[in-house]
Amino acid sequence: AQSVTQLGSHVSVSEGALVLLRCNYSSSVPPYLFWYVQYPNQGLQLLLKYTSAATLVKGINGFEAEFKKSETSFHLTKPSAHMSDAAEYFCAVSANYGGSQGNLIFGKGTKLSVKP
Amino acid sequence: EPEVTQTPSHQVTQMGQEVILRCVPISNHLYFYWYRQILGQKVEFLVSFYNNEISEKSEIFDDQFSVERPDGSNFTLKIRSTKLEDSAMYFCASSVVTVNTEAFFGQGTRLTVV
Repeated sequence: AQSVTQLGSHVSVSEGALVLLRCNYSSSVPPYLFWYVQYPNQGLQLLLKYTSAATLVKGINGFEAEFKKSETSFHLTKPSAHMSDAAEYFCAVSANYGGSQGNLIFGKGTKLSVKP
Repeated sequence: EPEVTQTPSHQVTQMGQEVILRCVPISNHLYFYWYRQILGQKVEFLVSFYNNEISEKSEIFDDQFSVERPDGSNFTLKIRSTKLEDSAMYFCASSVVTVNTEAFFGQGTRLTVV
C-alpha cells in the first residue's frame, strides 16, 4: 500500500533563504508523486507532479522537486523564499498504479512560514 | 480561469441531521472526487465518481455517505446522519481524465457537527 511521510509539520525560513520541504513515500509500484499548496482560505493547488518522466520536476512559483528512488524521497525546494510562499504544502502519492490521479494519498502537510 | 466551486463554505449541523455538500466541477471534467481533512490530520480520499457511478471508495465512505450528480453540473456529497466525528473540511475535486492529469480542488466546505 502507498503512503507518504512529511518530515516537519512547521518549517520557518527567512525571506531569500532556501526552502526545503521533505517528503518520503512508500509504494509497491512505480509511484506518481505530487506536491500541492494550500494558501489560507483557499483550496489545494497543484505545484508540480512526477509521473515517471524526468526525475527533476519543475513547478510553478519557482518550486522544484527531485524524485530519488534510492531514497524513496520527493523533496520540494525553492532557492529563495518569498513572503508569498507562506502556506501549507502537501505531498501526495497516487494510490493506483497507472495513476487514477485523483485518488491521492496525502501527507499530513508542512506549514511554511517566511520571516522578513 | 475555470475553478471548482463548493457551497456552502461553512456548514453547522446538529448530530443526527442529514447534510448535503455541493460542488460544481469544471465543466469539461469527467472525474469527480471527495476528500476530507479532519482538523490537524491528513487529507483523506473518500470517493471517486465517473460516468454516473462510483469508481472507487475508501473505507471511510460507509453507508452513511452517498454521492450524486443530479443535474449534469452539480456533484453532491450527502451524509445521512451526521456524527460528531464527521466534523472536517470536505474538498471536492475534478479532473479531465485520470492518468497523468491534474485534479483541481475546490476551496472546501467546513462541516461542524454539534
